[in-house]
Amino acid sequence: SQQGEEDPQALSIQEGENATMNCSYKTSINNLQWYRQNSGRGLVHLILIRSNEREKHSGRLRVTLDTSKKSSSLLITASRAADTASYFCATDSNYQLIWGAGTKLIIKP
Amino acid sequence: EAQVTQNPRYLITVTGKKLTVTCSQNMNHEYMSWYRQDPGLGLRQIYYSMNVEVTDKGDVPEGYKVSRKEKRNFPLILESPSPNQTSLYFCASSPRTRSYEQYFGPGTRLTVT
Repeated sequence: SQQGEEDPQALSIQEGENATMNCSYKTSINNLQWYRQNSGRGLVHLILIRSNEREKHSGRLRVTLDTSKKSSSLLITASRAADTASYFCATDSNYQLIWGAGTKLIIKP
Repeated sequence: EAQVTQNPRYLITVTGKKLTVTCSQNMNHEYMSWYRQDPGLGLRQIYYSMNVEVTDKGDVPEGYKVSRKEKRNFPLILESPSPNQTSLYFCASSPRTRSYEQYFGPGTRLTVT
């Protein structure tokens, strides 16, 4: 069964707006990773946040982790057309890395 | 350039015809894995390898084989492909284990008729 579940499944916003997507999981984790995938291409790593971290930044990206709620969010600020992609979270538990089905983000010009 | 390469990128084949998808990384990574991606299902791991000669099953290993004779290469073998193996396949590597950043190849789109 899928552990990481992204929400929403799809998101369409205007260029310049902020985009927030969420990931929920079920069991305890060592870390949580976010990846981006442009249409049909390989995934690209964005951020890794460890279970003892609450927030992490990378450029226009901000990731939060709430282990009590078993959830994480990815915020993309000042979105650009090039941010159009699918975003996946992957949760690393003791046994495996489990991927969600992704959030499809569309940035409208 | 640090990268993971896969070949072929696109493949159309018929049921039962054995095929191999190659994967190679030039980053001296210990951990390599294969995933398949199907619409609405996200990524599912097929097999992974912690190091040379060490491989293990992922979530969906049935119908697939792998080998890790050299650190840089991790081929995926479909001995007798079936239509339900039509999918987008990704090879990935990371420095040590799944707990590190994964580097993905460009993908292989396989169609089995």
